[in-house]
Amino acid sequence: SAVISQKPSRDICQRGTSLTIQCQVDSQVTMMFWYRQQPGQSLTLIATANQGSEATYESGFVIDKFPISRPNLTFSTLTVSNMSPEDSSIYLCSVIAYEQYFGPGTRLTVT
Amino acid sequence: DAKTTQPPSMDCAEGRAANLPCNHSTISGNEYVYWYRQIHSQGPQYIIHGLKNNETNEMASLIITEDRKSSTLILPHATLRDTAVYYCIVRVAHHKAAGNKLTFGGGTRVLVKP
Repeated sequence: SAVISQKPSRDICQRGTSLTIQCQVDSQVTMMFWYRQQPGQSLTLIATANQGSEATYESGFVIDKFPISRPNLTFSTLTVSNMSPEDSSIYLCSVIAYEQYFGPGTRLTVT
Repeated sequence: DAKTTQPPSMDCAEGRAANLPCNHSTISGNEYVYWYRQIHSQGPQYIIHGLKNNETNEMASLIITEDRKSSTLILPHATLRDTAVYYCIVRVAHHKAAGNKLTFGGGTRVLVKP
């Protein structure tokens, strides 16, 4: 299994600002994913972040809005840029370590 | 990935078995059936997966029909801590080059009552 931590666990931000979310894994993993869960909704994949390559974004998500870094096999960041209230969601990091595991999420509220 | 259909919600009694159905009539031959659950305010948790044989682990049992078009997750003795949203997902196994992504549907909101 893999133990995943995220920072911050929650934040309240003003519109127009940016927030960077960190994801740390306790073991080296090749495949890492970022998901968004809007209030009352299911999870939606934002992008796949593999070390050593550009992140691959799903339809409806763009790099300018959600830039991702993946500097090594245990760490990644997701930035939510130029935030609006519609970005209020839980953002989850996920990795594949035999099975797919999820972090606890970062609860973001944009006012 | 093939789509799945689950009832939006169900109640079950504490101590009784909970049987959660899932339809996946368009599943491909190389796609597995995965189950995850999400307890309130937590990230999704892996439960079990299977290809065509029934599977059992310490958390649950997975029964897959012979034609693989549907499956049932069984929680043998539901507890209050099993209250969660349960997601049935079909996908190619994680180690395959393609189809690594988990695509979540609406899931079934399970409420275990005392």
